[in-house]
Amino acid sequence: TQLLEQSPQFLSIQEGENLTVYCNSSSVFSSLQWYRQEPGEGPVLLVTVVTGGEVKKLKRLTFQFGDARKDSSLHITAAQPGDTGLYLCAGLSLTDTGNQFYFGTGTSLTVIP
Amino acid sequence: DAGVTQSPTHLIKTRGQHVTLRCSPISGHKSVSWYQQVLGQGPQFIFQYYEKEERGRGNFPDRFSARQFPNYSSELNVNALLLGDSALYLCASSSSWHPNYGYTFGSGTRLTVV
Repeated sequence: TQLLEQSPQFLSIQEGENLTVYCNSSSVFSSLQWYRQEPGEGPVLLVTVVTGGEVKKLKRLTFQFGDARKDSSLHITAAQPGDTGLYLCAGLSLTDTGNQFYFGTGTSLTVIP
Repeated sequence: DAGVTQSPTHLIKTRGQHVTLRCSPISGHKSVSWYQQVLGQGPQFIFQYYEKEERGRGNFPDRFSARQFPNYSSELNVNALLLGDSALYLCASSSSWHPNYGYTFGSGTRLTVV
């Protein structure tokens, strides 16, 4: 069961365009992370957001954690071919029975030169 | 510095066999987590270990087990392999057991069950 739904599932855009990827859930998370994964490799951590409403910027990437800590978005400005990859959100929960980690369904981004 | 290393990189097994996958975390990292990633999907959490103790378990059958050694390396064991166990198995390490800390992933072991 996927607790985190990402949209869109696939995205193909021209270099220089802006885009937003959404990660939605009905569950509350202790924190949320965004990863980028390239074929044949493991996911690479981009950011961790912890506080509801938190916004983090990494160069052309802007990450936002929803006020209720149930959803998040990733916005890329002026996309470049090097941004191509599978973007994954991951919700992390600290529960009485132990830690739980839930990855989203993924958004496959292709940036065309 | 070496990242998270996993072995083997590729493996082909027959249905019904068992398999052991290995993971060495980044030096100084005491937490290791295991994930299964089926083609076209996001990773699914299997286990987290910290200081040799299980800290989290995903929704996987008892055929899946893991352990962590005193040097913080880890093994994932899968018994009675099914065709559906074919996937990329990822290991991730972290300096802490707390889920808010960042995780570094290895490149994975590609398991094919025939």
